[in-house]
Amino acid sequence: NAGVMQNPRHLVRRRGQEARLRCSPMKGHSHVYWYRQLPEEGLKFMVYLQKENIIDESGMPKERFSAEFPKEGPSILRIQQVVRGDSAAYFCASTGLQGAIGNTIYFGEGSWLTVV
Amino acid sequence: AQSVTQLGSHVSVSEGALVLLRCNYSSSVPPYLFWYVQYPNQGLQLLLKYTTGATLVKGINGFEAEFKKSETSFHLTKPSAHMSDAAEYFCAATEYGNKLVFGAGTILRVKS
Repeated sequence: NAGVMQNPRHLVRRRGQEARLRCSPMKGHSHVYWYRQLPEEGLKFMVYLQKENIIDESGMPKERFSAEFPKEGPSILRIQQVVRGDSAAYFCASTGLQGAIGNTIYFGEGSWLTVV
Repeated sequence: AQSVTQLGSHVSVSEGALVLLRCNYSSSVPPYLFWYVQYPNQGLQLLLKYTTGATLVKGINGFEAEFKKSETSFHLTKPSAHMSDAAEYFCAATEYGNKLVFGAGTILRVKS
């Protein structure tokens, strides 16, 4: 999928633990998006980041979820004190300088989180 | 707010038959429109996109879609279905912002 790397691909956590999902955007891309796909549903926007900045977090749950995209290193989506309802596929996507407008957004392979 | 509606959560066609997957958007301004395909346990692959210009857009794997402003539609078609087309298809749109709004998806089944 065009070089967007996500890890881990599969993650199992017990209720109350923390989950950290990592995303390395495609080379040269400075815009990162996180989406969540619940079973039987489409993808829902969570957060849009540029390097060191959160641009739009309107889709992020108010508690337990946070995201960052540091100057160096991958973007991290962090879920604290996971609950069963957090079980989902989390997709990272990236795009170039102009963001989504007119530019293709490339998706990673996803990270499947299972909370037991 | 922008929304995308995909009519039919499941579509079944015979191999060699026409594929038609429907997508309608709601927007006060013409959006940018995309179709993605997702195979089981994989990420999304872009099939095609409409930004500006020609309203009939050709994509990969023989798919195409036509942007019809008057109908606020962006239906995906393929003249002849192949078994390998079986997957889930998502229509998505974005306006001025930098986030895609997705439809709920349509699972395409191809019968031999």
